[in-house]
Amino acid sequence: KAGVTQTPRYLIKTRGQQVTLSCSPISGHRSVSWYQQTPGQGLQFLFEYFSETQRNKGNFPGRFSGRQFSNSRSEMNVSTLELGDSALYLCASRGGPLGSYNEQFFGPGTRLTVL
Amino acid sequence: TQLLEQSPQFLSIQEGENLTVYCNSSSVFSSLQWYRQEPGEGPVLLVTVVTGGEVKKLKRLTFQFGDARKDSSLHITAAQPGDTGLYLCAGNRDDKIIFGKGTRLHILP
Repeated sequence: KAGVTQTPRYLIKTRGQQVTLSCSPISGHRSVSWYQQTPGQGLQFLFEYFSETQRNKGNFPGRFSGRQFSNSRSEMNVSTLELGDSALYLCASRGGPLGSYNEQFFGPGTRLTVL
Repeated sequence: TQLLEQSPQFLSIQEGENLTVYCNSSSVFSSLQWYRQEPGEGPVLLVTVVTGGEVKKLKRLTFQFGDARKDSSLHITAAQPGDTGLYLCAGNRDDKIIFGKGTRLHILP
């Protein structure tokens, strides 16, 4: 069974631009969560989608948004990029929504650099 | 506010030594997970502990969940270079998963 895939793996943008990251979960998984990882703050939860609905949201500004499609693939968008948005963005999939006891599988991440 | 504190932040030891890393909180979690992350990769789940006082073993790794479900430890026996990585703990609470900042472990051959 293929793992979680994320595209692109690396991205360089400039301040003010916007970016869209993509995540394909493991086949059959309906929950996709997004995280931001930085050396200073560690792994921080952005949001979770389950069956095309946002179920949970972390403490990030509205510039960070996401969506999930009917095939469970998810995209994350960051508008008006700031230098502080440079980070590794990780996507994780699981069979059920957060709160249910099942394993979460992470993708390799997208390394975003904002210049 | 960092709800999960991991210590130490960095640890560098010789191959063959034993070590323990900690994950502490003032909050109660319904379950807690440990992950290992290698450079350029996403975290990989090692174990989930659910019951207070629970001990789980994974080869040379021993995980313990505190009786009050507020803290956890990971003990590695006879560390090997392949154990090198970032060890993250994550607590599940109120439909959210909260991660610690991790312990970066380096095993010297």
